[in-house]
Amino acid sequence: ILNVEQSPQSLHVQEGDSTNFTCSFPSSNFYALHWYRWETAKSPEALFVMTLNGDEKKKGRISATLNTKEGYSYLYIKGSQPEDSATYLCLSGNTPLVFGKGTRLSVIA
Amino acid sequence: ETGVTQSPTHLIKTRGQQVTLRCSSQSGHNTVSWYQQALGQGPQFIFQYYREEENGRGNFPPRFSGLQFPNYSSELNVNALELDDSALYLCASSYWGGTEAFFGQGTRLTVV
Repeated sequence: ILNVEQSPQSLHVQEGDSTNFTCSFPSSNFYALHWYRWETAKSPEALFVMTLNGDEKKKGRISATLNTKEGYSYLYIKGSQPEDSATYLCLSGNTPLVFGKGTRLSVIA
Repeated sequence: ETGVTQSPTHLIKTRGQQVTLRCSSQSGHNTVSWYQQALGQGPQFIFQYYREEENGRGNFPPRFSGLQFPNYSSELNVNALELDDSALYLCASSYWGGTEAFFGQGTRLTVV
């Protein structure tokens, strides 16, 4: 089972600030890297799946990059809004997916 | 919303009791994984079922067991409940070899 590390564990930002989080994973035998957004009382929602070194994905104000050689991925949120408040989960592997502990983001209006 | 549903959503049990949690898979998915998320922790892998057989297990004792049915729905059974079993239990439905997984909303288990 892989070890997937996320940092920071929690983050408080002001509305309008841009922010980013890190996901680290073993670079050997890499298969895929997933980012999920998880709001309280809801199912985790898939944001991105990345499989190739150098992948960059974007969805609105959220984007992610992938470096499989050094084993990390960054998630960026530009101009944070209160509705961005959630836990952002990084998952690596194929089956089973291995979770990081998540980064809990709170955006203060 | 995903096609994965878990039941019940909340449950309170007494230490020593047994519990069964259920998960329906996304249509077309043949793999289900179960995770435990204790308070303040990330989800921890319990086990995975593929085509009705256990296909990988995390660091959980044998009193955590499961089943997958021909329609790919699944159960998680926990015997001899302990206080530390209080957690959110998530199931994830996927297609073996695929790159997507869909999650249920989870079952919140409280052991008193």
